[in-house]
Amino acid sequence: ILNVEQSPQSLHVQEGDSTNFTCSFPSSNFYALHWYRWETAKSPEALFVMTLNGDEKKKGRISATLNTKEGYSYLYIKGSQPEDSATYLCAFGPSGGGADGLTFGKGTHLIIQP
Amino acid sequence: EPEVTQTPSHQVTQMGQEVILRCVPISNHLYFYWYRQILGQKVEFLVSFYNNEISEKSEIFDDQFSVERPDGSNFTLKIRSTKLEDSAMYFCASWGDTWEFYGYTFGSGTRLTVV
Repeated sequence: ILNVEQSPQSLHVQEGDSTNFTCSFPSSNFYALHWYRWETAKSPEALFVMTLNGDEKKKGRISATLNTKEGYSYLYIKGSQPEDSATYLCAFGPSGGGADGLTFGKGTHLIIQP
Repeated sequence: EPEVTQTPSHQVTQMGQEVILRCVPISNHLYFYWYRQILGQKVEFLVSFYNNEISEKSEIFDDQFSVERPDGSNFTLKIRSTKLEDSAMYFCASWGDTWEFYGYTFGSGTRLTVV
């Protein structure tokens, strides 16, 4: 059974502050690490897919890093805004590519306080 | 931007009844998936579908479950005889198998309540 853990489970952040949270995953049999942003009543939206150790990806104020040797990824949000409030899910893809199912973490529920 | 569409958004059914959850994936995508999330738990993989057949399925996807792509457009998940523990949010997703992987495109889900 693959174990993907995210911490913290929930996080309250003041508007304008920067924040980060963690996803840990098995370091063996690695193919890809996904990050999704999920707002209530909407579809989970893909943020990043990372495949190489040391990968760093950025999308506006959000960035992510990947360490496949030790099995963790960080998601950073710079200068949080109320619209960043969402649940952030990471998901681990084992080797095998598109056919294999993703194993998700439980998510980090982020609330930005004005 | 292309979307994955799921219907209905909410379905209530009696235990033992059959339900069909419907999805319209993005038209030029090749891989299709069903995931579910029981309230308070992790999103779980059910099944992947490629080239008109199941590619992989999880332990959850037992004989009560089946998938079909009957007309090249719709992608359905059937639960033959629902149990209380099938109550969950069911998500459909698709992927285009491009060289640069942007992640899956998910639908907004069908909340299934079994009573």
